[in-house]
Amino acid sequence: GENVEQHPSTLSVQEGDSAVIKCTYSDSASNYFPWYKQELGKGPQLIIDIRSNVGEKKDQRIAVTLNKTAKHFSLHITETQPEDSAVYFCAASPISGGYNKLIFGAGTRLAVHP
Amino acid sequence: DVKVTQSSRYLVKRTGEKVFLECVQDMDHENMFWYRQDPGLGLRLIYFSYDVKMKEKGDIPEGYSVSREKKERFSLILESASTNQTSMYLCASSYVTGELFFGEGSRLTVL
Repeated sequence: GENVEQHPSTLSVQEGDSAVIKCTYSDSASNYFPWYKQELGKGPQLIIDIRSNVGEKKDQRIAVTLNKTAKHFSLHITETQPEDSAVYFCAASPISGGYNKLIFGAGTRLAVHP
Repeated sequence: DVKVTQSSRYLVKRTGEKVFLECVQDMDHENMFWYRQDPGLGLRLIYFSYDVKMKEKGDIPEGYSVSREKKERFSLILESASTNQTSMYLCASSYVTGELFFGEGSRLTVL
């Protein structure tokens, strides 16, 4: 089955710097790659996703890139702000049977220091 | 605003007790999920349901069962709680394909 590895497990940056989180996956059939952000005391929330027919997607300060040949995808946050501090999860989905069944990475705890 | 509500934020139970975790969604989603979140392990799928009274095992179903009698409600049941089931439990819902909407989680401690 699918396996998703996420690095780093913790990341500390200064406000205004960029942050990059990387994930690799094992199942070449995966074609949907979302990123979820979990703030303290809350459930994860989708912040951006990418599908296998697209190499890059941007939404304001966040972007995701996908390399299907190498089976890895990355989250890029520019001009980080303290409110970006959270745990970020990548996921990959080998969609089958019409039901989404995401396999999540272990998470990255991002700390943005003022 | 979309809403997934988990009935209990914090629970403390004793080994061997039966535990019910309740989840309700107000978005008329077909799919509902129960995940377990542990540090360093991410989110692991316990069970999911794609329709009323329908369920499928996820990656770690051992020691758990589920019930979905109504479309909006999905319950996770621990028949006999054990200390290794101490964890954060997250309920989620979605349309057939698409974004997962999560509840705020239920932190269960089994003594």
